Amino acid sequence: GIQVEQSPPDLILQEGANSTLRCNFSDSVNNLQWFHQNPWGQLINLFYIPSGTKQNGRLSATTVATERYSLLYISSSQTTDSGVYFCAVLNMNNYGQNFVFGPGTRLSVLP
Amino acid sequence: DTGVSQDPRHKITKRGQNVTFRCDPISEHNRLYWYRQTLGQGPEFLTYFQNEAQLEKSRLLSDRFSAERPKGSFSTLEIQRTEQGDSAMYLCASSLATGRNYGYTFGSGTRLTVV
Repeated sequence: GIQVEQSPPDLILQEGANSTLRCNFSDSVNNLQWFHQNPWGQLINLFYIPSGTKQNGRLSATTVATERYSLLYISSSQTTDSGVYFCAVLNMNNYGQNFVFGPGTRLSVLP
Repeated sequence: DTGVSQDPRHKITKRGQNVTFRCDPISEHNRLYWYRQTLGQGPEFLTYFQNEAQLEKSRLLSDRFSAERPKGSFSTLEIQRTEQGDSAMYLCASSLATGRNYGYTFGSGTRLTVV
């Protein structure tokens, strides 16, 4: 099946710092989404971004589909940004209707 | 609509007992998915329904697991003869069958602990 890697596995930041999270995937995708899992376990959809660039407030994401990677940028981080960030991909042509998740990046933002 | 609802939020059970979880999807979503997430890992796909039809099952879904969506609305996931390895967060998601991003939305999950 499709493989998804994320880096770094863990990241500790001081409040106000910027960060870049990376997702690499092994095959073409129809759908790529970034999720934030908060400390209570809720998965929140951040971006639907199979290609191109999107921005939402302090967060932005870029996917270069031809090179099979996506980046999530967090600027001016806040303690509420803490949690685990997952990249999830979907290739319905070859692998069915389910998302394949990466292992996640655990972000801790210190006050 | 308040999103995808899962019940219960937490379940502690003794090894060998049966457990059943419920998921209520977003009302207009015709697809419903079950995922399992163990500590420190990303969610892994278990099965999905389009309306009441179960269309795909992962090999992770052993014969002790069964899922139903009898009227194409809510779904249940039952685990029979639970084992300690079943301890995990069980996540439900729903989506539309078409559209740019399908509106894929997760519930808050049911955390199962088998003792």
